[in-house]
Amino acid sequence: GAVVSQHPSRVICKSGTSVKIECRSLDFQATTMFWYRQFPKQSLMLMATSNEGSKATYEQGVEKDKFLINHASLTLSTLTVTSAHPEDSSFYICSASPTTGNSYNEQFFGPGTRLTVL
Amino acid sequence: TQLLEQSPQFLSIQEGENLTVYCNSSSVFSSLQWYRQEPGEGPVLLVTVVTGGEVKKLKRLTFQFGDARKDSSLHITAAQPGDTGLYLCVGEGGSYIPTFGRGTSLIVHP
Repeated sequence: GAVVSQHPSRVICKSGTSVKIECRSLDFQATTMFWYRQFPKQSLMLMATSNEGSKATYEQGVEKDKFLINHASLTLSTLTVTSAHPEDSSFYICSASPTTGNSYNEQFFGPGTRLTVL
Repeated sequence: TQLLEQSPQFLSIQEGENLTVYCNSSSVFSSLQWYRQEPGEGPVLLVTVVTGGEVKKLKRLTFQFGDARKDSSLHITAAQPGDTGLYLCVGEGGSYIPTFGRGTSLIVHP
């Protein structure tokens, strides 16, 4: 149980285009999902907290107009990188916390999406 | 803002050696998770510790939560190449926003 999927697993796009990344909790519902960015051999950097049915909460320094988050259902959150530039190239990971039976707020991570902007 | 200091940041050892990774904070955590991440994949949950002084074992991995729930350690006995990866500690302080350690990149050479 507690499986989180991400799609696509890797994407290459041209500078100026927008890219949408999906994060799905496959066997549980998640009121809260998190989006992270990770650089090689470093820890995850929290970008935003995605809450079902409400606006996402962005961390300081993360542009909300550039990284659009939509958490339309209890099993799906999407991150859209708008007008992507080469500096946006990174490994993006989502995580989801089960809404029920999760006393310790454990997170379950997706497999990540490698974004390369040319 | 809660901080979780994780050390060492990098560790390169030979197969069969033992190692310990530490996570320390001045804040109290209601729970703390340890994850292992392989390159190009998402982190995988290894264990959650919740009680001060708690010790959990997962084969050759031993996890300990400090009595005051401010620190934790991960000890690996007789490391194997398959243990190679990025180890992350993540603290939960009750705000639903997780606090990440900076990670320990472990390489175990055969």
